[in-house]
Amino acid sequence: EVQLLESGGGLVQPGGTLRLSCVASGFTFSDYGMTWVRQAPGKGLEWVSGITSGGVNTYYAGSVKGRFTISRDNFRNTLYLQMSSLRAEDTAVYSCTRGLWSMDVWGQGTTITVSS
Amino acid sequence: DVVMTQSPLSLSVTLGQPASISCRSSQSLVHSDGSTYLNWFQQRPGQSPRRLIQKASNRDSGVPDRFSGSGSGTDFTLKISRVEAEDVGVYYCMQGTHWPRTFGQGTKVEIK
Repeated sequence: EVQLLESGGGLVQPGGTLRLSCVASGFTFSDYGMTWVRQAPGKGLEWVSGITSGGVNTYYAGSVKGRFTISRDNFRNTLYLQMSSLRAEDTAVYSCTRGLWSMDVWGQGTTITVSS
Repeated sequence: DVVMTQSPLSLSVTLGQPASISCRSSQSLVHSDGSTYLNWFQQRPGQSPRRLIQKASNRDSGVPDRFSGSGSGTDFTLKISRVEAEDVGVYYCMQGTHWPRTFGQGTKVEIK
């Protein structure tokens, strides 16, 4: 079964850092570009960041550029999102998804709360 | 960034009746490779999003044929031919042609 399982969420203070992980299973991870999408409480979907299958090219939303870093370990079938200088507006459920121009598989998400 | 504008933002539909959601982009979504990367996602209450349509009109496997996508360039539509109770949720369009990717605001579909 194709699955994406996120972890690493939690409560963090403004200005803090956090690293999210997403373990993929059931497909050849290294064949796919991957994307992070977030959803703030009661709000719509927001595209955050994407990375090509080999990890060479990365892309970011303007709202996170310079603060978040996407990376991947194709040996460990794991996608990462390193988040720094966190703000209250980063509070959201962060979901790992498969694909770059479209997303056909979604994880359940991990919740980040930025608050003092 | 490409702005995706959905309308309406809310839709109340009688069971068995059709529904239609519009999605307009601020730039053409025709990629240099000739494809149009416009996607539709459904998010049922309490669930993760699920892709319904990719490349504007290609329905995903397992998606009921009452869902259809159409459009080109900057103007796209998702149609539900006969709304069923399980169709309640929020529908999003998303463009996958330009960086950064962008979603529409979402359209909430409820049963009248």
